[in-house]
Amino acid sequence: NAGVTQTPKFQVLKTGQSMTLQCAQDMNHEYMSWYRQDPGMGLRLIHYSVGAGITDQGEVPNGYNVSRSTTEDFPLRLLSAAPSQTSVYFCASSRDRTGGKLFFGSGTQLSVL
Amino acid sequence: AQKITQTQPGMFVQEKEAVTLDCTYDTSDQSYGLFWYKQPSSGEMIFLIYQGSYDEQNATEGRYSLNFQKARKSANLVISASQLGDSAMYFCAMREGVRNTGNQFYFGTGTSLTVIP
Repeated sequence: NAGVTQTPKFQVLKTGQSMTLQCAQDMNHEYMSWYRQDPGMGLRLIHYSVGAGITDQGEVPNGYNVSRSTTEDFPLRLLSAAPSQTSVYFCASSRDRTGGKLFFGSGTQLSVL
Repeated sequence: AQKITQTQPGMFVQEKEAVTLDCTYDTSDQSYGLFWYKQPSSGEMIFLIYQGSYDEQNATEGRYSLNFQKARKSANLVISASQLGDSAMYFCAMREGVRNTGNQFYFGTGTSLTVIP
């Protein structure tokens, strides 16, 4: 039972570099989302998707792009990394847009120097 | 305004005692869901318990129960018979409907619970 798989687990970038955080789920979930976790701020929603081809912005979308070409995958792209994007990133999915609990990936610790 | 407020940054509890972690929420939706997640030092997010806004009875899952007071907009987590393994960060979260585009989840800032032997 893979659930939600996130890669990589750790990443160090230099300011201005780009990268993609991968997220895949094998539960046929409609809803997928990305969060960042910063000390003292809990988890904040970056982007989310309610199905293939449909994405929307969350609370902190600036500096991040997403796409959803398949039900299974929901990559998060940092086009030009900034030190302010140093954080722990979580991908999460749920059954559908009407609810259900979130299933989380194991997280990616990203440092931007 | 904060959607989810957790006012206890850190809590201590004696092993085998019960502890209540506070959570208040803010929404104008009639239909919403409330969740608690546990994050141990290893970093993963573990689902604990769920309460729907229309559920009349408080949710329970083993040693976890959710004290849901709708009029006060509070959803406190009660952990009975605390164990050393309960030491972790605990997050309260709310799923709010956003018309037809799907749901947004909001998380509190968390409460760090330490169980003392």
